[in-house]
Amino acid sequence: KAGVTQTPRYLIKTRGQQVTLSCSPISGHRSVSWYQQTPGQGLQFLFEYFSETQRNKGNFPGRFSGRQFSNSRSEMNVSTLELGDSALYLCASSLIGNSYEQYFGPGTRLTVT
Amino acid sequence: DQQVKQNSPSLSVQEGRISILNCDYTNSMFDYFLWYKKYPAEGPTFLISISSIKDKNEDGRFTVFLNKSAKHLSLHIVPSQPGDSAVYFCAASGDNQGGKLIFGQGTELSVKP
Repeated sequence: KAGVTQTPRYLIKTRGQQVTLSCSPISGHRSVSWYQQTPGQGLQFLFEYFSETQRNKGNFPGRFSGRQFSNSRSEMNVSTLELGDSALYLCASSLIGNSYEQYFGPGTRLTVT
Repeated sequence: DQQVKQNSPSLSVQEGRISILNCDYTNSMFDYFLWYKKYPAEGPTFLISISSIKDKNEDGRFTVFLNKSAKHLSLHIVPSQPGDSAVYFCAASGDNQGGKLIFGQGTELSVKP
């Protein structure tokens, strides 16, 4: 079974621009979560989607948004990029049930200059 | 407020010996705990998990112990191998977390031949 895929793997953007990252979950997984990893803050939860609905959101500004499609694929968008948005953005998928295991993709490395 | 803490940023162990990675948490509502392993420029890989109704879970060379009264969990790797060298994250979740994993800051394990 194929793992979680994320595109693109690397991205360089300029301050003020916006960016869209894509995530395809493991086949059959209906929940998709997004995390930001930075050296100073570690792995921080952004949001989680299930059945095209955002169920939970982390403590990030409104510039960070996401959505999920009917095939469970998800995108996240960051508008008006700031230098501090430079990070590894990780997507994780999971089955819904009595398991909390999330399976991560390789991440998208975003650099804002 | 760091709800999940890994107080040792690094650990060095000789090949063949036991590696013990520690994690403390503060939120008594957490009822599921996970360990992930991460290599640079890759997403975290799920290793092993434990529910709060258990105090031990074993999978091959990996064993996780949970002490609920102390709000402490540990990951034991026996025997340690050079390929185990990576950053290890503990994470916590629960029914009230809405699909969110809360991660510790990670411990970098180095297994020397």
